[in-house]
Amino acid sequence: AQKVTQAQTEISVVEKEDVTLDCVYETRDTTYYLFWYKQPPSGELVFLIRRNSFDEQNEISGRYSWNFQKSTSSFNFTITASQVVDSAVYFCALSATQGGSEKLVFGKGTKLTVNP
Amino acid sequence: DARVTQTPRHKVTEMGQEVTMRCQPILGHNTVFWYRQTMMQGLELLAYFRNRAPLDDSGMPKDRFSAEMPDATLATLKIQPSEPRDSAVYFCASGLRQGSLNTEAFFGQGTRLTVV
Repeated sequence: AQKVTQAQTEISVVEKEDVTLDCVYETRDTTYYLFWYKQPPSGELVFLIRRNSFDEQNEISGRYSWNFQKSTSSFNFTITASQVVDSAVYFCALSATQGGSEKLVFGKGTKLTVNP
Repeated sequence: DARVTQTPRHKVTEMGQEVTMRCQPILGHNTVFWYRQTMMQGLELLAYFRNRAPLDDSGMPKDRFSAEMPDATLATLKIQPSEPRDSAVYFCASGLRQGSLNTEAFFGQGTRLTVV
């Protein structure tokens, strides 16, 4: 069975601070994908990144970076120099490609509030 | 700008009434998901389709929910009869699977359903 745990329910930071959102996953599959989605106050789910299980390279996109570590089953997300517009709920998700359903299994989300 | 379109955006209905939610996936995508989001349960998969065929509807209450894809450009989720506990935001998402490769799922803006 697949499971995603986002232990941080809510995080509050002041603008320009760096913030890391944690994600720990469980799966028995050897091939899988990991995702991060952003849900701003308007409610839509915005895709941020996809990573497959064979690619452990860290990725940076502007102020966003992702650290994937298979040894600890973690896929953490860091926002550098946070801005008020980063305030949203962030979801980590897992999708396996072998056996079982291909559904995205989501964590419970981390609500990030960036204060001016 | 390709996007998943869901209608209606908001729906208020009385208990016992039939509710139909519609989704237009991104053109060319062959996988369609229906998710439900509630405060208590978070994001849960209800059903998903590949090339219009249902692959997994294990998350859906079979006695009152039904999901179909009449054609490649339309997916529907129907609740009959609706109950107050069905109140939630229902998301449709589409993606492309080619061989063993899953792309990310792109989400619509959701239908906020309130059953009174």
